[in-house]
Amino acid sequence: DAMVIQNPRYQVTQFGKPVTLSCSQTLNHNVMYWYQQKSSQAPKLLFHYYDKDFNNEADTPDNFQSRRPNTSFCFLDIRSPGLGDAAMYLCATSRDSGRRNQPQHFGDGTRLSIL
Amino acid sequence: GQQLNQSPQSMFIQEGEDVSMNCTSSSIFNTWLWYKQEPGEGPVLLIALYKAGELTSNGRLTAQFGITRKDSFLNISASIPSDVGIYFCAGLNPPSEAGNMLTFGGGTRLMVKP
Repeated sequence: DAMVIQNPRYQVTQFGKPVTLSCSQTLNHNVMYWYQQKSSQAPKLLFHYYDKDFNNEADTPDNFQSRRPNTSFCFLDIRSPGLGDAAMYLCATSRDSGRRNQPQHFGDGTRLSIL
Repeated sequence: GQQLNQSPQSMFIQEGEDVSMNCTSSSIFNTWLWYKQEPGEGPVLLIALYKAGELTSNGRLTAQFGITRKDSFLNISASIPSDVGIYFCAGLNPPSEAGNMLTFGGGTRLMVKP
């Protein structure tokens, strides 16, 4: 019954080798988010898509990029991963109708390790 | 920017005890959310609060949206070992063209001794 699905659950990459994480949703939500979470910390928003409109957080490194080819899928691309990018990456979705705040629903995350 | 202060940072309790944690903010939110995150998993929504003063229950969990809209608490009654995890409060700003942005508290790590 998973509604926000992240693949893979675990990803190992080499220092500097590009990596792509994927997220899909069956909720038909119009907003999708990518968060980075380091150990014992709260998730930190990297960017989000409102429909097709991309919104980048001011402090998100240029090394991180995202694509949303359609409503259901969103990708996180890390162009040249550094050791500091090792973290859990969480995808979330919400429905924004403009009338009422709607909670975000999270996937189970991808844990990224850098060798 | 907005910040949420969540306390306590961690709790180590005996099974069967009640638990209380809270969040305070320097500014108001229109919606308060409580999430639970278990190791290796994503945050799972426990309770959503939409009105100041609202008191909502979900099984053994009870949460309230403070009347000033600057605080919220979560209570867990009769704790059990599967309550172990990190509990996050989160505030939601009013809907906007840019979507609903969450502001997270720092989390409360709950450990339950059988």
